[in-house]
Order: sequence, then C-alpha cells, then structure tokens
Amino acid sequence: AQSVTQLDSQVPVFEEAPVELRCNYSSSVSVYLFWYVQYPNQGLQLLLKYLSGSTLVKGINGFEAEFNKSQTSFHLRKPSVHISDTAEYFCAVMDQGGSEKLVFGKGTKLTVNP
Amino acid sequence: NAGVTQTPKFRVLKTGQSMTLLCAQDMNHEYMYWYRQDPGMGLRLIHYSVGEGTTAKGEVPDGYNVSRLKKQNFLLGLESAAPSQTSVYFCASSWYGNGDTEAFFGQGTRLTVV
Repeated sequence: AQSVTQLDSQVPVFEEAPVELRCNYSSSVSVYLFWYVQYPNQGLQLLLKYLSGSTLVKGINGFEAEFNKSQTSFHLRKPSVHISDTAEYFCAVMDQGGSEKLVFGKGTKLTVNP
Repeated sequence: NAGVTQTPKFRVLKTGQSMTLLCAQDMNHEYMYWYRQDPGMGLRLIHYSVGEGTTAKGEVPDGYNVSRLKKQNFLLGLESAAPSQTSVYFCASSWYGNGDTEAFFGQGTRLTVV
C-alpha cells in the first residue's frame, strides 16, 4: 500500500526567504503525486501535481516541485515566500492505474514571519 | 458551480447518538472520498467509492459506514458516536482519465462528540 512521509511538521521562515517542504513516498508501483494547500478553516486546494514526463512541475502561486524516482521524493519549493503563504501543506500519492486511493501525509505547517 | 458541498458544516453529538454526513458533487465525478483530519495526523482516509453502488475501506474505517446510492452523493454514517470521532471531516471527489486525475474538496464538517 502506498504511504507518504512529510519530514517536517512545522517550518518557520522569514518573508522573501526561500522554502523547501519535504515529502517522501512509498509504493510498489508507479505513482501520481500531489501537493495541496489548506488555509485556516478551509478545505484543500491543489497546488500542483506530477503525472508523468518532466520531473519539475510548476504550480500556482509560484510553487514548484521536483519528482525524484530514485529517492522516492517530491519536495515542494518556492524561491521567495510571502506572508500570505502561511498555511498547511499536504503531500499526497495515488498509485497509477490501481486502487484510486488518494493517501495523504501528515502535513507541514508553513509559517511566514515578517 | 457548487463543486463539492458538505452538509452540515458543524454538529455536536452526544456519545451514542447517530448521524449522517452528506457529500454532494455536481461535477459528474466517478470517485468520492471521506477523510478525517485531526491535529498532527493529516488527512486519513475513512472510506472511498470508485462509482455508484460501490464502496471500499480506507485507513480508518472502524465506526463508520458509507453509501453511494447515487453518483453525485456519498453519505458517511456514524451509528453510535464516540468522543474519539470528534474531528473535522472532509469529502472529496475526483475524476480520472487519460493519465490525469484531480481531487476537489468540500469545506469540511466539524463534528464534536461529547
């Protein structure tokens, strides 16, 4: 069964600094990978997804992520964060052509300080 | 364009009471999911459905039942609520085809069991 590990539960950064949120996954087959963002008291919205092809994926709000099959990682990056990026970020995995189960990590709370 | 709508948004139950959470989607999606979100635990999959009339167990199915009698609706039932079921519940629906997929989330139901 697939699983996701988000290595940092909390990441504090200063405004305009770069940030990387780490995600590792486990699966016996090829996967689709996702990053979702959750603002306080809201549902989740998709930031970006990796389906196939280019390992560098660009998403909304200036975020990007890189798929690394050998390291089973899908880390999320942004070169310069804003206060408005303060939120919780979730990495998720789905097996390709398989069970259609969408499994999430425990989340990383990003706090951007002025 | 409503997307995914969850009813109710808030509920307080006494231990032992039953209730049903309704999830409705208007995007004609085949797949639907129920998750619970607890602090530090991320989103954990309770049950999911890959089509009308089908359901399957997720990571934490005990104490919950589901039904998908109509494609657009996915119901989550608690037969005898327990304080451990105090949580925020999220419903999602997704489509899958041509090597692509994306899940859309409702705004959540905050359930307190006293």
